[in-house]
Amino acid sequence: GQSLEQPSEVTAVEGAIVQINCTYQTSGFYGLSWYQQHDGGAPTFLSYNALDGLEETGRFSSFLSRSDSYGYLLLQELQMKDSASYFCAVRARTGGFKTIFGAGTRLFVKA
Amino acid sequence: GAVVSQHPSWVICKSGTSVKIECRSLDFQATTMFWYRQFPKQSLMLMATSNEGSKATYEQGVEKDKFLINHASLTLSTLTVTSAHPEDSSFYICSARRPSDEQFFGPGTRLTVL
Repeated sequence: GQSLEQPSEVTAVEGAIVQINCTYQTSGFYGLSWYQQHDGGAPTFLSYNALDGLEETGRFSSFLSRSDSYGYLLLQELQMKDSASYFCAVRARTGGFKTIFGAGTRLFVKA
Repeated sequence: GAVVSQHPSWVICKSGTSVKIECRSLDFQATTMFWYRQFPKQSLMLMATSNEGSKATYEQGVEKDKFLINHASLTLSTLTVTSAHPEDSSFYICSARRPSDEQFFGPGTRLTVL
């Protein structure tokens, strides 16, 4: 089966940098995705890493180390609107391609 | 990005009735769609993988006779919650995968069973 671990909550101030870590265990690993979800809304795609290294998209960056089964999402220049839940998700091939979500990290951005 | 729609966006029904939720990929053909369920303040739990023209693959613990999935075309998958009960109240979210392997989520359907 698959399992993912990420912190349940993180609090930071506006303008700061925050890193949300994710460790995973899965067979048939293809890649690690990150999604943002605001209360009452659907998840929105942020990034996807299939290879080791850092992917940068504006204020958000995502990192993957396949050998360590570890990744993180880095949010820079935090804004109040970044307060949301962030999910890491593994894309794996186990009986077909699937995306399995972690429990999510609730990010609170304070003024 | 690609657009995936769901209908209805919310539904309230009486216990014992059945509810159908539609998921459409509006600007691409999706050979595979996924159905997730999310309870308040919890993660998205994969319920089933829906492949066009074939039977859905259900995750362990998901009753296939209760959650009927039909993927009739490359742009439409439906989830029918049969004989709904209050414990089925949840946020149901579909996602569609493009041939390029990108996955896009619908806006979700909030089901409340009285």
